[in-house]
Amino acid sequence: GEDVEQSLFLSVREGDSSVINCTYTDSSSTYLYWYKQEPGAGLQLLTYIFSNMDMKQDQRLTVLLNKKDKHLSLRIADTQTGDSAIYFCAETPIKAAGNKLTFGGGTRVLVKP
Amino acid sequence: DAGVTQSPTHLIKTRGQQVTLRCSPKSGHDTVSWYQQALGQGPQFIFQYYEEEERQRGNFPDRFSGHQFPNYSSELNVNALLLGDSALYLCASGFNRGVNTGELFFGEGSRLTVL
Repeated sequence: GEDVEQSLFLSVREGDSSVINCTYTDSSSTYLYWYKQEPGAGLQLLTYIFSNMDMKQDQRLTVLLNKKDKHLSLRIADTQTGDSAIYFCAETPIKAAGNKLTFGGGTRVLVKP
Repeated sequence: DAGVTQSPTHLIKTRGQQVTLRCSPKSGHDTVSWYQQALGQGPQFIFQYYEEEERQRGNFPDRFSGHQFPNYSSELNVNALLLGDSALYLCASGFNRGVNTGELFFGEGSRLTVL
């Protein structure tokens, strides 16, 4: 079955770049997502990428996909204190897209001034 | 345009009771999925509704049931509550007809505490 893994914690200084990593096991065509969750809140969709893409950029966010290693990363440029949150990586097979999302355990990002 | 809305935001129940949570999808979306997020963990898929039918189900017991209405809104029902059902319950909406964009939006969740 599908499995998604993430590192638990990342500390970064304000203004630096953050890189959050994720690995997944599904070998089928898939959508891969990054969500942000602030304390006590729901999940905010940051960006998503289809597994036939290598990279996607959206303002301060850059997603890189290494299909061979099944490794996904999210880079946040010029990290701000408002970026402190838990970031979840998730995937869903394209043949059932919109159905079951499999999430990683989340990476807690702490931005220090 | 309202996003995904959920109610209630917080509720407290006792063991053995039943609870109903509600979700209205983002305008134009036709599918609703429910997730359970225990403290400190990632969300776990409960089930998905499309065209008023349960289309896919995660590893949850029959105590968890749901419904989708003709206006695409949905309810999650949990019977015979256990302490372990305490969690944040999240609703997600998306498209499931024609071209799938892959976009899945979540609501703010309903936090259930079982005492």
